[in-house]
Amino acid sequence: AQSVTQLGSHVSVSEGALVLLRCNYSSSVPPYLFWYVQYPNQGLQLLLKYTTGATLVKGINGFEAEFKKSETSFHLTKPSAHMSDAAEYFCAVSTMNRDDKIIFGKGTRLHILP
Amino acid sequence: EPEVTQTPSHQVTQMGQEVILRCVPISNHLYFYWYRQILGQKVEFLVSFYNNEISEKSEIFDDQFSVERPDGSNFTLKIRSTKLEDSAMYFCASSAETSGGGTGELFFGEGSRLTVL
Repeated sequence: AQSVTQLGSHVSVSEGALVLLRCNYSSSVPPYLFWYVQYPNQGLQLLLKYTTGATLVKGINGFEAEFKKSETSFHLTKPSAHMSDAAEYFCAVSTMNRDDKIIFGKGTRLHILP
Repeated sequence: EPEVTQTPSHQVTQMGQEVILRCVPISNHLYFYWYRQILGQKVEFLVSFYNNEISEKSEIFDDQFSVERPDGSNFTLKIRSTKLEDSAMYFCASSAETSGGGTGELFFGEGSRLTVL
């Protein structure tokens, strides 16, 4: 079975500072990994995903994540935080099985300090 | 850009009443899902649906829940007799079949907020 652990339910960074949101996964088979963002009162939007190939994945809004198999991690980073980045971020995992669901982590709320 | 649409955006109901939440997935997608998010908690998988039948369901998806694709475009979630603990945001999602099988990107709707009084 797959699972996702997100370290830190709340993370605060100053505007312009590095954003680092941590995600570790557990999967018995090679995973697909995702980061979704949820802005207040909105649905879930895909930021980026890793399936195969290059382990450093670039997404929208300047975010990127690196798949590290040895560490079973898929941390999300952004070099310089912007006020508009304030949102809830969910790491998610799936397997390569057809029509398999994705499993979400508990989410990390990112606060941007002026 | 194609999107998943959900109605209603917010529904308030009395405990014990039946509720139907509606979703229109992206037209060429083949896999459909319902997730829920209780306020302040994680997004939880409820059920997946493919080829007109349930593929997988979680322990949350008990006999009070059912899903249907009645007309080839809508995908509905029915809660037969709502309980207070069913209050949550319900997200519909759909995905296309990838060439190699497996789950690609799930496209989510904006959610239907259910409040059970």
